[in-house]
Amino acid sequence: DGGITQSPKYLFRKEGQNVTLSCEQNLNHDAMYWYRQDPGQGLRLIYYSQIVNDFQKGDIAEGYSVSREKKESFPLTVTSAQKNPTAFYLCASSLRTGSGANVLTFGAGSRLTVL
Amino acid sequence: AQSVSQHNHHVILSEAASLELGCNYSYGGTVNLFWYVQYPGQHLQLLLKYFSGDPLVKGIKGFEAEFIKSKFSFNLRKPSVQWSDTAEYFCAVKNTNAGKSTFGDGTTLTVKP
Repeated sequence: DGGITQSPKYLFRKEGQNVTLSCEQNLNHDAMYWYRQDPGQGLRLIYYSQIVNDFQKGDIAEGYSVSREKKESFPLTVTSAQKNPTAFYLCASSLRTGSGANVLTFGAGSRLTVL
Repeated sequence: AQSVSQHNHHVILSEAASLELGCNYSYGGTVNLFWYVQYPGQHLQLLLKYFSGDPLVKGIKGFEAEFIKSKFSFNLRKPSVQWSDTAEYFCAVKNTNAGKSTFGDGTTLTVKP
């Protein structure tokens, strides 16, 4: 079945450590996104990528970094510069053209807790 | 920058009651509009979308939404809710010139059996 796989599902990190969250999709979608979900604040966009080797900052990019070396993969690194990293992170993807364009398909999410 | 406002943070209804969740957005250009739903323990998924044409759109599970351009609104409705509609609902807007969607803060719907 096609879909988005995020790993790990749960992750604990000590302060000062970087951590990388994985996102892989087999939907042949061009665009991929990282959102952060906090209670009462909805989904806030961290980074997005519309094509391989290109990505743009979202609304809350500070303290995060991404890469898009392959169409299927869009890993997110939460760096030690992120001041409040404890959150639920959602990866999504979408087509850019056609009848399904711009409809987001989401992964199951990764919950990061900083100890 | 575009923004999305959902008026209700938490709604509690009894089964068979009617539902309307408000959504307003700030962008004045051409937009794509979405409602997504997150059932307990499940992925976020699309409930319905509006791109163009008939402003009244129907989605899964008996939900519908109406796009009123003059009011910058895209309210979600269901005539009779069920216990299984308990979930978190998110309105999202994408302006057709941008590569990203903006989400509202979400509304938690609790339906009492």
